[in-house]
Amino acid sequence: GAVVSQHPSWVICKSGTSVKIECRSLDFQATTMFWYRQFPKQSLMLMATSNEGSKATYEQGVEKDKFLINHASLTLSTLTVTSAHPEDSSFYICSAPGTASETQYFGPGTRLLVL
Amino acid sequence: DAKTTQPPSMDCAEGRAANLPCNHSTISGNEYVYWYRQIHSQGPQYIIHGLKNNETNEMASLIITEDRKSSTLILPHATLRDTAVYYCIVRQNTDKLIFGTGTRLQVFP
Repeated sequence: GAVVSQHPSWVICKSGTSVKIECRSLDFQATTMFWYRQFPKQSLMLMATSNEGSKATYEQGVEKDKFLINHASLTLSTLTVTSAHPEDSSFYICSAPGTASETQYFGPGTRLLVL
Repeated sequence: DAKTTQPPSMDCAEGRAANLPCNHSTISGNEYVYWYRQIHSQGPQYIIHGLKNNETNEMASLIITEDRKSSTLILPHATLRDTAVYYCIVRQNTDKLIFGTGTRLQVFP
């Protein structure tokens, strides 16, 4: 099946710094990718839809200036958590639809810890 | 809001069939039923999906009631590696996936 990778798999940073997370579709192209956040013992929450060549679409309550999304190519979307704070510590997961759009393939996730 | 209702947790003995129910009483005619699972600290994994007919693949079977208001995911011979949170999601094919709270399945020896 299709493979989606994320980098880094985990990151620890100081409060106030910015962190960039990459999401790549390894063997297929994705004009759309999705970013989710998951807190411990909770479900995945959709944050935004990343659109290649255009602005991302953010879900209600998600600060677009806080979570910058760039989808510069058909295989890469990045999520930058700007001025990270401890409450941003979470598990960030991306996904991309397969060629048939019927299924979505998820990355392995990036665990962010802000100290 | 999630359009599905699932029990928060279930147990299953290894080697036995695991039957995970899902209610989706407000499903519309062009919405599919999808099942994903998430093993601890990993990204979700696609299992199966269907519209109205029962479906089977190498991982599981999906049984959808005739009125489409509920469905059951069946893992025919559960193993310890099937321990995960299972999410039932209703969506149109091009819609984004909205996750509910899922069912935490614990397979025990």
